[in-house]
Amino acid sequence: AQSVTQLDSQVPVFEEAPVELRCNYSSSVSVYLFWYVQYPNQGLQLLLKYLSGSTLVESINGFEAEFNKSQTSFHLRKPSVHISDTAEYFCAVSDLGGANNLFFGTGTRLTVIP
Amino acid sequence: EAGVTQSPTHLIKTRGQQATLRCSPISGHTSVYWYQQALGLGLQFLLWYDEGEERNRGNFPPRFSGRQFPNYSSELNVNALELEDSALYLCASSLESGRRLFFGSGTQLSVL
Repeated sequence: AQSVTQLDSQVPVFEEAPVELRCNYSSSVSVYLFWYVQYPNQGLQLLLKYLSGSTLVESINGFEAEFNKSQTSFHLRKPSVHISDTAEYFCAVSDLGGANNLFFGTGTRLTVIP
Repeated sequence: EAGVTQSPTHLIKTRGQQATLRCSPISGHTSVYWYQQALGLGLQFLLWYDEGEERNRGNFPPRFSGRQFPNYSSELNVNALELEDSALYLCASSLESGRRLFFGSGTQLSVL
């Protein structure tokens, strides 16, 4: 079975500063990796995903994540955060790509300080 | 296009009662998933319905059950409520298994 660890439950960061949200996973098979974001009072949304190919994946709002197989990590980064990035971020892993075996981390609360 | 809708937004029950949560998927989506988001535990997979049948369930006791209707909407039923059932219950839908998930805003269940 897979598991996901998000070590940082809360990450406060000043506006326009860089941020990294850490995600480590464990699995005995090949995996697909996801980052979901939950804005205040909204449902979860897919931010980005790694299925295969290039290990660096990007989202439309400036976030990127790099799949590192040797370190079993999929950290989320953004070089300059905005107030609107304040949200809960969930890392998830799946071995088949299906949602029925999608395992989520406990989430990281990103708070951007003006 | 309407997204995934869940009702009610909030539900307050007492221990031992039953709770029914409802979910309407995006039009055309046949797969519905239920997740429990408990404080400090992250999101945990509960149930997966597709084409009216239960395809898989997570590691939850049998008092968590549900069904999917012919119009692909779904109900989650929790019997004999316990205090630890207090959580946000999220429904998600997809066009088919393995495709992108779209989540609703959730039902906050509070068991007193």
